[in-house]
Amino acid sequence: SAVISQKPSRDICQRGTSLTIQCQVDSQVTMMFWYRQQPGQSLTLIATANQGSEATYESGFVIDKFPISRPNLTFSTLTVSNMSPEDSSIYLCSAEGGRGRYEQYFGPGTRLTVT
Amino acid sequence: QKEVEQDPGPLSVPEGAIVSLNCTYSNSAFQYFMWYRQYSRKGPELLMYTYSSGNKEDGRFTAQVDKSSKYISLFIRDSQPSDSATYLCATGAGNQFYFGTGTSLTVIP
Repeated sequence: SAVISQKPSRDICQRGTSLTIQCQVDSQVTMMFWYRQQPGQSLTLIATANQGSEATYESGFVIDKFPISRPNLTFSTLTVSNMSPEDSSIYLCSAEGGRGRYEQYFGPGTRLTVT
Repeated sequence: QKEVEQDPGPLSVPEGAIVSLNCTYSNSAFQYFMWYRQYSRKGPELLMYTYSSGNKEDGRFTAQVDKSSKYISLFIRDSQPSDSATYLCATGAGNQFYFGTGTSLTVIP
């Protein structure tokens, strides 16, 4: 299994600013994923990040709002841009296991509050 | 209709009880079925993985898939206070992958 770390663990930001969340995996993986989790709701996939290609965004999420970098096989960043209070949520990254997207290992999450 | 439906609970049981957690899904093409456990303020961790129908057992945990009724279950035997967490089911096929909303479980000592 992979071990995932995320930074920061939490942050309070002002509206209109941007925050970059970092995700580090302890082994090389092809696919990494970024999710948003709001209280009482399921995990919502924002995008899939493959090394060496553009991230693939899910419906309702756009690159201008959530730019993603994937510079190598162990690291990815998600930026939440021009934040509003509606962006307050927990953001989680995950990495694929041996069964691809059907075996994911998650980081501890970044708890974001936008004021 | 949501792709995966899961009763959010909360569910509260005494220590030692058998716990049954359930989900239904909408797409008969789904072939992969997972259960994740999420402790408070932590990321989800993969608990059980099942492909297609049938049962899978791992210690006190049993995952069951009934494709005819599109119903997936997780049973926890001899539940412990350390099992208190939110349990999320997940399923999919191809590039489709969906999580349930999670069921909050508390095991009371």
